[in-house]
Amino acid sequence: DVKVTQSSRYLVKRTGEKVFLECVQDMDHENMFWYRQDPGLGLRLIYFSYDVKMKEKGDIPEGYSVSREKKERFSLILESASTNQTSMYLCASYTGKSEKLFFGSGTQLSVL
Amino acid sequence: AQSVTQLDSQVPVFEEAPVELRCNYSSSVSVYLFWYVQYPNQGLQLLLKYLSGSTLVKGINGFEAEFNKSQTSFHLRKPSVHISDTAEYFCAVRSSGSARQLTFGSGTQLTVLP
Repeated sequence: DVKVTQSSRYLVKRTGEKVFLECVQDMDHENMFWYRQDPGLGLRLIYFSYDVKMKEKGDIPEGYSVSREKKERFSLILESASTNQTSMYLCASYTGKSEKLFFGSGTQLSVL
Repeated sequence: AQSVTQLDSQVPVFEEAPVELRCNYSSSVSVYLFWYVQYPNQGLQLLLKYLSGSTLVKGINGFEAEFNKSQTSFHLRKPSVHISDTAEYFCAVRSSGSARQLTFGSGTQLTVLP
């Protein structure tokens, strides 16, 4: 089955730090996504990428950027972390063949 | 634009009882509908999906959902739940003519009590 790996399960950073969240998938999917998950708000799309070096803003892109230099890797960047970015971050890859998202296990980011 | 409303944020139910988790959506075009499940400390996984055809969809672990176009609903059901079904359940919608984005509901925490 497809494996989506997020580099860290828990991460603690200080306000103002630059933060990198890494995600790697092993099934050659074109499409990859970054969501944040907050209680009572469900999943909200931050950015997605439909090919190498291609990206589109999701619903809440402010304060974030992304990088996709290789097909298997999709990175989320917090240029200057703030406390309101404390959240669970979920990466996913997608195949249109089965109309299915494959999720990583998430990174719980705390910004102090 | 599309949106999803999960009407119950928390659903407690006793083991072996039936359960229904409610989901309503809005979209101006035809849609694809999904239920994802998130077990504690895990990512989400697909439970079932409706793309076309039969409106009654069966998924993993004995769950099923029925697409009702007139009521714009896609409720999830299971006739007899187990302790291991305790998880958060997310309904999601994608408009068939859109890009690859899914819109998720806010989630329903199902807690199965012994």
